[in-house]
Amino acid sequence: AQKITQTQPGMFVQEKEAVTLDCTYDTSDPSYGLFWYKQPSSGEMIFLIYQGSYDQQNATEGRYSLNFQKARKSANLVISASQLGDSAMYFCAMREGLNQGGKLIFGQGTELSVKP
Amino acid sequence: DAMVIQNPRYQVTQFGKPVTLSCSQTLNHNVMYWYQQKSSQAPKLLFHYYDKDFNNEADTPDNFQSRRPNTSFCFLDIRSPGLGDAAMYLCATSRLSIPHGYTFGSGTRLTVV
Repeated sequence: AQKITQTQPGMFVQEKEAVTLDCTYDTSDPSYGLFWYKQPSSGEMIFLIYQGSYDQQNATEGRYSLNFQKARKSANLVISASQLGDSAMYFCAMREGLNQGGKLIFGQGTELSVKP
Repeated sequence: DAMVIQNPRYQVTQFGKPVTLSCSQTLNHNVMYWYQQKSSQAPKLLFHYYDKDFNNEADTPDNFQSRRPNTSFCFLDIRSPGLGDAAMYLCATSRLSIPHGYTFGSGTRLTVV
């Protein structure tokens, strides 16, 4: 079964508008972490934002915020005021309990295109 | 700056010819991971080292091996590369005491001819 699901293979957004990228997850471990990464065409993985399962507030980092709905097991990324440089692949990832070596499991990704 | 460095950035190898990709870190992280990412797909974990303990994923082919001679270095060996092994290979490190403290290298893009 998929542990991380990103249902949007591709998204378009107009420059300066906000966009939401969806992510749902599945785990029975009470301790987990959720990540969003940006991967431009060069291939490097750029960390954007992190949400721990016990964090009470939604994470924010500059123009990025994470809409964490624990009961629904969703962790959507919101990018405000999109810029042309935001065009890239975006991956949602989950870290399960630390006794599994803290490995990250990735979703299939969403390709975001920002239009001028 | 402390970082994770992967060499080479691009690697071309012949079908069936053994190839080694390298990863080094200056972060003193105790866990190192190797991911394989094929075109338009999610990164897939091949294996990881927790200190000297090697942990193989169940579906990682035997063709893939790894070595970690010390804390700083980790190698990915592909014994007999096939065309299907062409991919981006990403090395990452973490310190388990910092739940969100992962660092990725820039990756090695492997082409098999």
